[in-house]
Amino acid sequence: AQSVAQPEDQVNVAEGNPLTVKCTYSVSGNPYLFWYVQYPNRGLQFLLKYITGDNLVKGSYGFEAEFNKSQTSFHLKKPSALVSDSALYFCAVRNRGSYIPTFGRGTSLIVHP
Amino acid sequence: EPEVTQTPSHQVTQMGQEVILRCVPISNHLYFYWYRQILGQKVEFLVSFYNNEISEKSEIFDDQFSVERPDGSNFTLKIRSTKLEDSAMYFCASSEAGTSGRREQFFGPGTRLTVL
Repeated sequence: AQSVAQPEDQVNVAEGNPLTVKCTYSVSGNPYLFWYVQYPNRGLQFLLKYITGDNLVKGSYGFEAEFNKSQTSFHLKKPSALVSDSALYFCAVRNRGSYIPTFGRGTSLIVHP
Repeated sequence: EPEVTQTPSHQVTQMGQEVILRCVPISNHLYFYWYRQILGQKVEFLVSFYNNEISEKSEIFDDQFSVERPDGSNFTLKIRSTKLEDSAMYFCASSEAGTSGRREQFFGPGTRLTVL
């Protein structure tokens, strides 16, 4: 079975400050890992993924995430937050034998001006 | 940029009624999915569809649910007799073929289903 934990329901950060949204996972074997963002009244929008190779993955809108196998984590980061980054962020993991991701509960990111 | 579209954006129905949720996946994608998100909860997988048949389904996807690709563009989810607990946001998604295990899924904006 595969699972994802996003330990924070909400993350608050001031505009211009770095942000981190945490994600840990559990899966058998090597994982595929994804981050999606959901803006109000919109579907999930793909941000980035880790498949193999470099542990630091860069994605859309200046976001990046670091795969840490020993800590089974895939935290989402951005060096300088924007108010427009305020949204719901979902981490997802997929076993390499399946096309079906398991999503975390989501973390609400609020960036204050 | 191509995107997945879904109609309607909001559907209100009475318990026991049938509903059909519609999706138009991205045109060159060959894998299609339905997910649901009950308010305040995580996104849950329902079913995946490839080559005109279901490839995987979850425990949620029972006999009340069915999917269909009636033509070359639409992908539908039918709930035969809706229950109150079917109230949720339903997301359609699609992904490319090939080494699809690596391919991210592109999601539509969702249909909010309210069962009264």
